[in-house]
Amino acid sequence: DTGVSQDPRHKITKRGQNVTFRCDPISEHNRLYWYRQTLGQGPEFLTYFQNEAQLEKSRLLSDRFSAERPKGSFSTLEIQRTEQGDSAMYLCASSVSGGPSEQFFGPGTRLTVL
Amino acid sequence: AQSVTQLDSHVSVSEGTPVLLRCNYSSSYSPSLFWYVQHPNKGLQLLLKYTSAATLVKGINGFEAEFKKSETSFHLTKPSAHMSDAAEYFCVVSDPNSGNTPLVFGKGTRLSVIA
Repeated sequence: DTGVSQDPRHKITKRGQNVTFRCDPISEHNRLYWYRQTLGQGPEFLTYFQNEAQLEKSRLLSDRFSAERPKGSFSTLEIQRTEQGDSAMYLCASSVSGGPSEQFFGPGTRLTVL
Repeated sequence: AQSVTQLDSHVSVSEGTPVLLRCNYSSSYSPSLFWYVQHPNKGLQLLLKYTSAATLVKGINGFEAEFKKSETSFHLTKPSAHMSDAAEYFCVVSDPNSGNTPLVFGKGTRLSVIA
């Protein structure tokens, strides 16, 4: 399968714990995006990378959130000191840069904070 | 700032009847517009996109959408619904001058297809 993959698919954690999610983009894609989707809402943009550079961050990305893409390939999204409001589906997408390129989405990681 | 409004949170149709999912957009520049579909436990899939070429856009699985600047609308249609069309549909707007980043999603319309 050469699509976008995310790991884990589901994560249950207790409030205050740290969690980390991984995204592997389509191999030739140099852009990688993170979105968050809560129940009954559309996905909301969090941040994106072009190669290893983080080019834009949404105001939704609080100080407890950090994303990295150290070698311009896979990316990780870490949430520190999780809160119940962090419960959501975290989606990763990738694309090539330039022009109206399509973003290809992974299946998402569903986070539940108890 | 850009935004989209999906006018119906839930649409129910009978199999074989037409589908209409409504979307209005707001943008201070000429936007790119997309429709994505989300099936349960599957990733979002692009149905079609408008990028300032033809105003009538044809997508996958028999769907199409028409860009109407005067009405700021981008409604999604399909002549005949199939059971497999049951899913969540998202209208999306972006700025082509920023490489279509970020995508701004509507809240979604859940399509039910009744046998």
